[in-house]
Order: sequence, then structure tokens, then C-alpha cells
Amino acid sequence: GAVVSQHPSRVICKSGTSVKIECRSLDFQATTMFWYRQFPKQSLMLMATSNEGSKATYEQGVEKDKFLINHASLTLSTLTVTSAHPEDSSFYICSANIAGGRNNEQFFGPGTRLTVL
Amino acid sequence: DAKTTQPPSMDCAEGRAANLPCNHSTISGNEYVYWYRQIHSQGPQYIIHGLKNNETNEMASLIITEDRKSSTLILPHATLRDTAVYYCIVRVNRDDKIIFGKGTRLHILP
Repeated sequence: GAVVSQHPSRVICKSGTSVKIECRSLDFQATTMFWYRQFPKQSLMLMATSNEGSKATYEQGVEKDKFLINHASLTLSTLTVTSAHPEDSSFYICSANIAGGRNNEQFFGPGTRLTVL
Repeated sequence: DAKTTQPPSMDCAEGRAANLPCNHSTISGNEYVYWYRQIHSQGPQYIIHGLKNNETNEMASLIITEDRKSSTLILPHATLRDTAVYYCIVRVNRDDKIIFGKGTRLHILP
């Protein structure tokens, strides 16, 4: 199946700093990517839908100024956690659909574990 | 909110078939049933999906009831590597966002 990568896989940062997480579709183009957050022992929570060339659509309760999403190309979406605080520590996962494909799957990245000290 | 209901956990002996139920009584006529699983500290993995017919692939079988209000994911010969949280999801098409419920935590017992 298609491959989605995330970078970095783990990041530890100090409170108040900003962290950028990359999500790449390695062997396909993705017009739509999704960002999720998962706290320990909880399910994935959809944060936003990222559309190539347009503004992201955020789910209710997700601060768009804190979680900046950029989808500048068909193979890359980035999530920047601005002024991170310990409560932002979580597992961040992205997913992508194949542009123009008939496949109904949504492909997920391996996740990025963020720890804010 | 998720449109599906699943038992929080299940046990299955290694080598036996694992049957994971899912209730989706409010499913619409154009919504598919999808199954994903998440192994600890990894991203979710697609397993199978279907509309109204039963489906089978190299990983699993999906049995959907005639009224489409429930389904069962069958892992024919469970192994320890099948230990994961299994999510049953309903969605219209591939561009539809996925709303995850709590899933079923499947424990494979040696």
C-alpha cells in the first residue's frame, strides 16, 4: 500500500518553543491530509483537515492559531505547534488520501510523539 | 461523535478465529463500513471495508448483516501480532474524515 511518513518520530522541547511536524506521502499525491492527536490510552481525535493550496479546516475546539497547518504541495503537509506547553504533549498522527485514486483507504503515518518539558 | 459501538476489549486464543463485533444501527445507505487497527505506538492500519456485501482480503473477512446495522470483523487465525485496538468506522467515501470511536482492544492469548 501507499506510504505516509512523518518527521520527526519523536521530539522533546522546552515549554514555549514551537515544533514543526512534517507529513509526507512518499509514493502518491495527496490533495487531502488529516491531522490527529492521541493522548495515552485514548482514541485518535481529529484536529484538522488539510487541503493542498487552501486553508485547513479545523475541528471544533482546536485552536487554529496554536496548531498551524500548511499544505503547500501534493506530498507535504506540516503541523506547527506554536508556543508548546506540557499539555500539548501527545502523539500526533497524519493521514492522507490518494489524489484522483479510486482506492477508498486512508493511509496513516507512523506518528510523532511530542513531549513538552 | 462516532457512529459505531464496539466492546471495549476482547480476548482470543492464538490460532483461533477472532470475531470482533460492531454496531452501526444509524448507518446511512451510502455509508461504507471500514475497519482499522492500531498497534501500540503506531499509526492506524487499514484492514478492510465494505458496503453491503461480505468482503475478504488477505488480512480479514468482513461480514455485514442484511440490514447493515451491524458487522463482524473476522481474523481467521489470530497471532500475537494481531494484538491491537480495532476500530470500526462508517464513512461515505475516501475523502470523508474519519471519526474514531474507542475501538476494541484485542488481546491474543498464547
